[in-house]
Amino acid sequence: QQQVKQSPQSLIVQKGGISIINCAYENTAFDYFPWYQQFPGKGPALLIAIRPDVSEKKEGRFTISFNKSAKQFSLHIMDSQPGDSATYFCAATAGDDKIIFGKGTRLHILP
Amino acid sequence: NAGVTQTPKFRILKIGQSMTLQCTQDMNHNYMYWYRQDPGMGLKLIYYSVGAGITDKGEVPNGYNVSRSTTEDFPLRLELAAPSQTSVYFCAGSGAEDTQYFGPGTRLTVL
Repeated sequence: QQQVKQSPQSLIVQKGGISIINCAYENTAFDYFPWYQQFPGKGPALLIAIRPDVSEKKEGRFTISFNKSAKQFSLHIMDSQPGDSATYFCAATAGDDKIIFGKGTRLHILP
Repeated sequence: NAGVTQTPKFRILKIGQSMTLQCTQDMNHNYMYWYRQDPGMGLKLIYYSVGAGITDKGEVPNGYNVSRSTTEDFPLRLELAAPSQTSVYFCAGSGAEDTQYFGPGTRLTVL
């Protein structure tokens, strides 16, 4: 019940295309859903986050879509660029001490 | 602000040796975390702390120890290094806003 299931494990997208990464959760106590971006050799960094009182949050080319009834949320990267090539982690927390991470998606944008 | 700093960046240990991975943050975060990341895998929580003097086990604590004598420092100790502890170790801190700020990581190899 504490898991966050992330898919796909890896993703290849043409430059200019839309990258979509999906996550699902079971614990209805989760109330904060961040996405982290990690470049090779670096630590993860917060990309964008959403709380369940909204169904969508957009920051530039990055959008989180949130479906509370289905307990699913997804990251959309519009007009994907080679510089977006990285590993992306979805995560969830119930406002307690710990954050639960998905297993990550390795995204590669073809030039 | 330097954020979260980790030392060393790289280390090679022999089986049975011990070492301490250092983590320091200057963001006045109460919460601090240690994760390990194996190749192609997600982040696994080793230990965490909600404040000075308070630590608790995460998902994979065996073979590790931590202490939190100050708000700034959260060292991770490996007492008897084993090949299974070969990994990249990330320290992170967070405040009231739930966002975790990661350090650059320590790449550890145990031979």
